[in-house]
Amino acid sequence: EPEVTQTPSHQVTQMGQEVILRCVPISNHLYFYWYRQILGQKVEFLVSFYNNEISEKSEIFDDQFSVERPDGSNFTLKIRSTKLEDSAMYFCASSLRGSGGIQYFGAGTRLSVL
Amino acid sequence: SQQGEEDPQALSIQEGENATMNCSYKTSINNLQWYRQNSGRGLVHLILIRSNEREKHSGRLRVTLDTSKKSSSLLITASRAADTASYFCATDESGNTPLVFGKGTRLSVIA
Repeated sequence: EPEVTQTPSHQVTQMGQEVILRCVPISNHLYFYWYRQILGQKVEFLVSFYNNEISEKSEIFDDQFSVERPDGSNFTLKIRSTKLEDSAMYFCASSLRGSGGIQYFGAGTRLSVL
Repeated sequence: SQQGEEDPQALSIQEGENATMNCSYKTSINNLQWYRQNSGRGLVHLILIRSNEREKHSGRLRVTLDTSKKSSSLLITASRAADTASYFCATDESGNTPLVFGKGTRLSVIA
């Protein structure tokens, strides 16, 4: 069964460093998302991406964050200068449809900012 | 205001019993989905119910939706130890694509 894959599973970085989290969505899906989950808290939407551009973003997704689909298969989330409060699980998701579509999630990348 | 609030926050039952989790939301929705998350893992989609549906079944899962009360329930029948996980409802608001998740219910099924 097709699945969303994320790498790495765990990323440890120093505060102020840049990190890139990688995702390979399901191949025929058209909509891509990043969510994050701070330990013990709810899953929060960061950004959605369709047709090679951001379609929606939340207040969390500030200038420190960017997304890219560099080669038609990968979907990346970059955090330019990490802060301690960026420590969280980051989930990538993809769906075939936009509104009303089932979103399929990857296993997540645990980001630890020291 | 918080969308998709589940209750109870935690539920502990014996294997074989039924588990019922509830979710309330505040805005109008296109559909409501339930996801499961094993500890430290990703989210697995369980079931989607559209705003014009009232009840849906999938195996041992039964989901109801009451749009007048802005609430949904997830029933897991004949629970198994392997059902131990956190369960989240997520709403898809009209015209928007991002899912809005609740804090989840932590279900423990004791063998």
